[in-house]
Amino acid sequence: DSGVTQTPKHLITATGQRVTLRCSPRSGDLSVYWYQQSLDQGLQFLIQYYNGEERAKGNILERFSAQQFPDLHSELNLSSLELGDSALYFCASSGLGGNTGELFFGEGSRLTVL
Amino acid sequence: LAKTTQPISMDSYEGQEVNITCSHNNIATNDYITWYQQFPSQGPRFIIQGYKTKVTNEVASLFIPADRKSSTLSLPRVSLSDTAVYYCLVGAPGTASKLTFGTGTRLQVTL
Repeated sequence: DSGVTQTPKHLITATGQRVTLRCSPRSGDLSVYWYQQSLDQGLQFLIQYYNGEERAKGNILERFSAQQFPDLHSELNLSSLELGDSALYFCASSGLGGNTGELFFGEGSRLTVL
Repeated sequence: LAKTTQPISMDSYEGQEVNITCSHNNIATNDYITWYQQFPSQGPRFIIQGYKTKVTNEVASLFIPADRKSSTLSLPRVSLSDTAVYYCLVGAPGTASKLTFGTGTRLQVTL
């Protein structure tokens, strides 16, 4: 158990819809990262938040947005969903030591867009 | 950021030692080398991290030669449960968000 909690574990929705994925980082971790992993694809970095502020942005689509709340949990919002958005979405967190690459991942949220 | 190259797949029998080598020819002075393990439908799990020479923990060893242009993850006496994808990442402090996981090395352990 990494200490990172993601909900929901599975989500099935239709094209054009909007969903919200939630992540609770490890206790005390200030950084939250979101990744997307499509079938047979590597992990693609989407966005990072540090203590409520956006720290870095990767290949995140404009239809996607995220935020980190004062209690440090984070949400990833995916809108106008397309079939190609079906993927595993992982959240990771890190503490001060995480800057060297030590990330703690959740179990992921599997999104299926029909 | 340093690009890494590792074998796409490897096969091993249970009980053998497995060595997975990662090449990172353009590693920078302040880059660290980190390895992750990922089981199907699970998030990656940190295995080990090092800067130079040898690092050992309860699950693996990491060997880094003096020129740091490559590194080798060593898994002693693998079991079926070590079947997973292993990722090698290289990055400096403050660049965790830029780390590229790539496609990793798919290790298959059989009896």
